[in-house]
Amino acid sequence: EAQVTQNPRYLITVTGKKLTVTCSQNMNHEYMSWYRQDPGLGLRQIYYSMNVEVTDKGDVPEGYKVSRKEKRNFPLILESPSPNQTSLYFCASSLSRMNEKLFFGSGTQLSVL
Amino acid sequence: SQQGEEDPQALSIQEGENATMNCSYKTSINNLQWYRQNSGRGLVHLILIRSNEREKHSGRLRVTLDTSKKSSSLLITASRAADTASYFCATVLIQGAQKLVFGQGTRLTINP
Repeated sequence: EAQVTQNPRYLITVTGKKLTVTCSQNMNHEYMSWYRQDPGLGLRQIYYSMNVEVTDKGDVPEGYKVSRKEKRNFPLILESPSPNQTSLYFCASSLSRMNEKLFFGSGTQLSVL
Repeated sequence: SQQGEEDPQALSIQEGENATMNCSYKTSINNLQWYRQNSGRGLVHLILIRSNEREKHSGRLRVTLDTSKKSSSLLITASRAADTASYFCATVLIQGAQKLVFGQGTRLTINP
């Protein structure tokens, strides 16, 4: 089944403890992206990747890192999480360009205490 | 402010009625997409309409695009309880990074 898989689904952590949210897609998509969703602010793009080893900042990249070593995987790294990074995170992918139909993962609800 | 803004923010109707949601945007677009999100879950792509198209259909969904008014509407006919969700429009600007910019969404509730 074609899908974008994110893990974990829920995560509670403490300020400053490094964490990684994994994202994997099995559709051979070139484009992958991370969003965060907050009440009243909608979906905001954090980082995106046009292909392997090609990443770029979105609208709210501060405090986040990403890597794209393989086409299928696009992990989101929080080196030193802070409470303002408490949010619902989504990974998404599309076949070849950022303006095409996006496939979303199920989301990761992160709470930073 | 958001490129795409949905209206209304919330809509509650009876099962079987039609639901109409609107999206307005500010600058010229390449295409406009509608997505559905069930509570706390990932967004699901519903339909894409390009700037040179005026109307598209998919099952019970009808999307219109009026580029002169910079607006789009999503019509769901014969609504069902399972249509209860948030609906987002997303626009792709002609200029700039060519990325999807999401609106804040319309929360649709279908009452049985």
